[in-house]
Amino acid sequence: GAGVSQSPSNKVTEKGKDVELRCDPISGHTALYWYRQSLGQGLEFLIYFQGNSAPDKSGLPSDRFSAERTGESVSTLTIQRTQQEDSAVYLCASSTWGASNRNEQFFGPGTRLTVL
Amino acid sequence: LAKTTQPISMDSYEGQEVNITCSHNNIATNDYITWYQQFPSQGPRFIIQGYKTKVTNEVASLFIPADRKSSTLSLPRVSLSDTAVYYCLVGDRGSTLGRLYFGRGTQLTVWP
Repeated sequence: GAGVSQSPSNKVTEKGKDVELRCDPISGHTALYWYRQSLGQGLEFLIYFQGNSAPDKSGLPSDRFSAERTGESVSTLTIQRTQQEDSAVYLCASSTWGASNRNEQFFGPGTRLTVL
Repeated sequence: LAKTTQPISMDSYEGQEVNITCSHNNIATNDYITWYQQFPSQGPRFIIQGYKTKVTNEVASLFIPADRKSSTLSLPRVSLSDTAVYYCLVGDRGSTLGRLYFGRGTQLTVWP
């Protein structure tokens, strides 16, 4: 079965440019998450989508970051006017929802973003 | 959410048992303890979850004392492929499922 996929796998951009990162969650997973991981660091939560509820955007570091999700499928993370400190691996995860859930999120391979 | 503390790194040799301990002094009644594993250039992967006493699956065992202020992930007979970062997470399993808080984790290096 297909897992979470992300594209591109690598992205190199120049400072000031906008970038879009894509995530395809596991089919049927209602919850979708974005994290970022800087070199040698743990994961930093960015945003969380659950069904038709308003997304939890509390982890977005600035207004240059935004994310959209189409229904319960694809999500796009957009970073406007990229800065060098945005360089990191951006990870997407998806999960099912319910009281029996065991906090298991299924992660994609990530997109490595390098801002020159 | 309860904060967790775990060693930054550990070393072991092939065939040995590895125990990684995580402290979570402020764990709440509804919190579960979850461990993830992350290989280089991959996203984290769920390993095991428990609430109290002992949980065992095909990958690892999780030991949780009665006060639940710490937990120990036990990996039996490690191999080179177990070299990875291991994260301990504490949080409510069900009603507030959302963000997961990953610290820096423990870098386990297995030597031949």
